[in-house]
Amino acid sequence: EPEVTQTPSHQVTQMGQEVILRCVPISNHLYFYWYRQILGQKVEFLVSFYNNEISEKSEIFDDQFSVERPDGSNFTLKIRSTKLEDSAMYFCASSERHWPELNTEAFFGQGTRLTVV
Amino acid sequence: SQQGEEDPQALSIQEGENATMNCSYKTSINNLQWYRQNSGRGLVHLILIRSNEREKHSGRLRVTLDTSKKSSSLLITASRAADTASYFCATDASYTQAGTALIFGKGTTLSVSS
Repeated sequence: EPEVTQTPSHQVTQMGQEVILRCVPISNHLYFYWYRQILGQKVEFLVSFYNNEISEKSEIFDDQFSVERPDGSNFTLKIRSTKLEDSAMYFCASSERHWPELNTEAFFGQGTRLTVV
Repeated sequence: SQQGEEDPQALSIQEGENATMNCSYKTSINNLQWYRQNSGRGLVHLILIRSNEREKHSGRLRVTLDTSKKSSSLLITASRAADTASYFCATDASYTQAGTALIFGKGTTLSVSS
């Protein structure tokens, strides 16, 4: 069964450093998303991406964050200068069609646990 | 903003019993989805119910939606130890007219003991 894969599974970085989280969405999907979950809290929407541009983003997704689809398979989330409060599980998701036009499900990866020290 | 809020926050039952989790939200929706998350793992999509649907079944799962009360329930029948996980409802939300995102609730932690 096709799945969304994320690498690395766990990353530890020093405050102020840049990190890039990587995702390989399901191959025929066109819509890509990043969510994050701070330990013990809700899963929060960060950004959606379609046709090589951001569709929309939440207030969390400030200038420190950026996304890119550098080639036909990868989808990356970059945090330019990490802060302690960026420590969280980051989930990538993809969907074949965009809600709510066809009400299709999003497939989530297993997540990257980012720890900023 | 729209939010799915589940209750109870935690639920402990014995194998074979049914588990019911509820979700409330604040504004109108196009659809509502339920996800499961095993500890420290990714989110697994369980079921989607559209705003014009009242009930949906998938295996041992039964989801209801009451748009007048802005609430949904997830029933897991004949629970198993493997059902132990956190369960989240998620509603669609539009930050802009360009697209939609999912707004997740805090989740219900279900523990099924054998």
